[in-house]
Amino acid sequence: GQNIDQPTEMTATEGAIVQINCTYQTSGFNGLFWYQQHAGEAPTFLSYNVLDGLEEKGRFSSFLSRSKGYSYLLLKELQMKDSASYLCAVGSWGKLQFGAGTQVVVTP
Amino acid sequence: DTAVSQTPKYLVTQMGNDKSIKCEQNLGHDTMYWYKQDSKKFLKIMFSYNNKELIINETVPNRFSPKSPDKAHLNLHINSLELGDSAVYFCASSQDLGQGHTFGSGTRLTVV
Repeated sequence: GQNIDQPTEMTATEGAIVQINCTYQTSGFNGLFWYQQHAGEAPTFLSYNVLDGLEEKGRFSSFLSRSKGYSYLLLKELQMKDSASYLCAVGSWGKLQFGAGTQVVVTP
Repeated sequence: DTAVSQTPKYLVTQMGNDKSIKCEQNLGHDTMYWYKQDSKKFLKIMFSYNNKELIINETVPNRFSPKSPDKAHLNLHINSLELGDSAVYFCASSQDLGQGHTFGSGTRLTVV
């Protein structure tokens, strides 16, 4: 089985940086995914890590440490439109197992 | 063109009814999935199909029956609907098993 833990909610101001941590325990692993989900919409793909290290994509970066079962998503230069739920998901055994999501609230 | 499209977007029905949700992807992906997102926003896999073959069935009640007529389509039929079936159901596809998913826009099912 798998446990995927991430904080329930984080609040930050516009222009700031927020780091969303995700820890996981898994019996199989073929990648760590981050998705963004706005209220009432579908999850959209943000990033994917399969090797240890940092992947940077514009304002968003994701880090993975497989030995520690740990990942984070870093959101820089926060904008109001970044207010959403951010889902950490572990790929294993042909499926994605999702965490419960972290609701990020961006304030002016 | 919508990559993963599912219909209907909203479905309100009475307990005991049977309903279907349809999903189609035009990405040429080999794998399709059904996920359920409950009121607590927890997204959980129900089924996956790879090239029309059932790969994953995550202890879903047998009132739920997926059908994949070809690898571009995965439909979900639900018999004898119950109040607890109320949720948002997302269809998704990926190039291969367990890879990054593209999600459909979701079907909000409300059982009354």
